[in-house]
Amino acid sequence: AQSVTQPDIHITVSEGASLELRCNYSYGATPYLFWYVQSPGQGLQLLLKYFSGDTLVQGIKGFEAEFKRSQSSFNLRKPSVHWSDAAEYFCAVGAGNTDKLIFGTGTRLQVFP
Amino acid sequence: AAGVIQSPRHLIKEKRETATLKCYPIPRHDTVYWYQQGPGQDPQFLISFYEKMQSDKGSIPDRFSAQQFSDYHSELNMSSLELGDSALYFCASGETGNSYEQYFGPGTRLTVT
Repeated sequence: AQSVTQPDIHITVSEGASLELRCNYSYGATPYLFWYVQSPGQGLQLLLKYFSGDTLVQGIKGFEAEFKRSQSSFNLRKPSVHWSDAAEYFCAVGAGNTDKLIFGTGTRLQVFP
Repeated sequence: AAGVIQSPRHLIKEKRETATLKCYPIPRHDTVYWYQQGPGQDPQFLISFYEKMQSDKGSIPDRFSAQQFSDYHSELNMSSLELGDSALYFCASGETGNSYEQYFGPGTRLTVT
């Protein structure tokens, strides 16, 4: 069965610092991978997605992610974090012959000024 | 750009009551997904519809039912509500041929007292 693991429950960074959020997936074939961001009490906003092709994908708000098949990873990165990036980040996989998304448990990002 | 609309945004019910949540997908999107997010949890897939037919089913209680109508809007009906049903319920919509790319609504926060 497909699964997603986000090893870091909570990450704290200073504003302007670089960021990397980890995501590992379990799936036999090439998965469809997503990163979503959720601000408190808000819905889920799609940051970026990987379906195929270039393994480095660019998203909104200056985020990027790199698909590494050998490591079963899809880590999210941002070179310089802004205070407004504080939120919960979910990695998700869509795979198989169903169309549901399977989410990781999320990483809460806190940004200090 | 038009987004997914969910109503109501907040709902308070008592145990054993019923609730109906509504979802209006992005225009031209033919697929609707429902997810449940408990407090501090990741979103869990409940059910999805494509062209008014159920396309996949997750861990949806038998007390819940859903359908998609001819105008593609969807309703999630929840009966015999339990305290554990208190959660944020998300609807997402997608377009056939754009595999797994789902756009989420703002959610309906259901509180069962």
